[in-house]
Amino acid sequence: GENVEQHPSTLSVQEGDSAVIKCTYSDSASNYFPWYKQELGKRPQLIIDIRSNVGEKKDQRIAVTLNKTAKHFSLHITETQPEDSAVYFCAAAFMNRDDKIIFGKGTRLHILP
Amino acid sequence: EAGVAQSPRYKIIEKRQSVAFWCNPISGHATLYWYQQILGQGPKLLIQFQNNGVVDDSQLPKDRFSAERLKGVDSTLKIQPAKLEDSAVYLCASTPDRYGTQYFGPGTRLTVL
Repeated sequence: GENVEQHPSTLSVQEGDSAVIKCTYSDSASNYFPWYKQELGKRPQLIIDIRSNVGEKKDQRIAVTLNKTAKHFSLHITETQPEDSAVYFCAAAFMNRDDKIIFGKGTRLHILP
Repeated sequence: EAGVAQSPRYKIIEKRQSVAFWCNPISGHATLYWYQQILGQGPKLLIQFQNNGVVDDSQLPKDRFSAERLKGVDSTLKIQPAKLEDSAVYLCASTPDRYGTQYFGPGTRLTVL
């Protein structure tokens, strides 16, 4: 089955700087890669996702890149702000098969003032 | 649009007791998921329903966990008897079909003493 590895587990960046979180997956058939943000005590919320037919997707300060050959994908947050502090989870799934979304263990992002 | 509803929000029980959680997905969403999120980890899928049928329950500890989704709408997840290691947040999520974005409920935080 699918296995998703996420790094780093904790990341601290200065406000205004960029943050990058990286994930690798094992099942080459996976074709859907969502990213979730979870603030303390709250539910995970989808912030961006990418499907395997594209290599990059951007939404304002957030971008995701996908390298299918290497089976890794990354989340990039530019011009970080205090409200970006949260735990971020990557995930992978083979949609149209079992649609089972496998999550990484999460990255705790701290934005330093 | 109303979100995924879950109750209770918090539950404290002693080991060997029973507990049940309830989930009401977004209206019209055919697919419903139950996840277990242990502190510091990503959500782990327990069971996935498509309407009222089970799609995947491979990670559900069936000796103590059970779930049902009568009439393809609300769902209940039960633990009987509970163990200390069941302490976690239990998240319910739904999608409009098998290929859509997952929307999470607020979760039920279970503490087993």
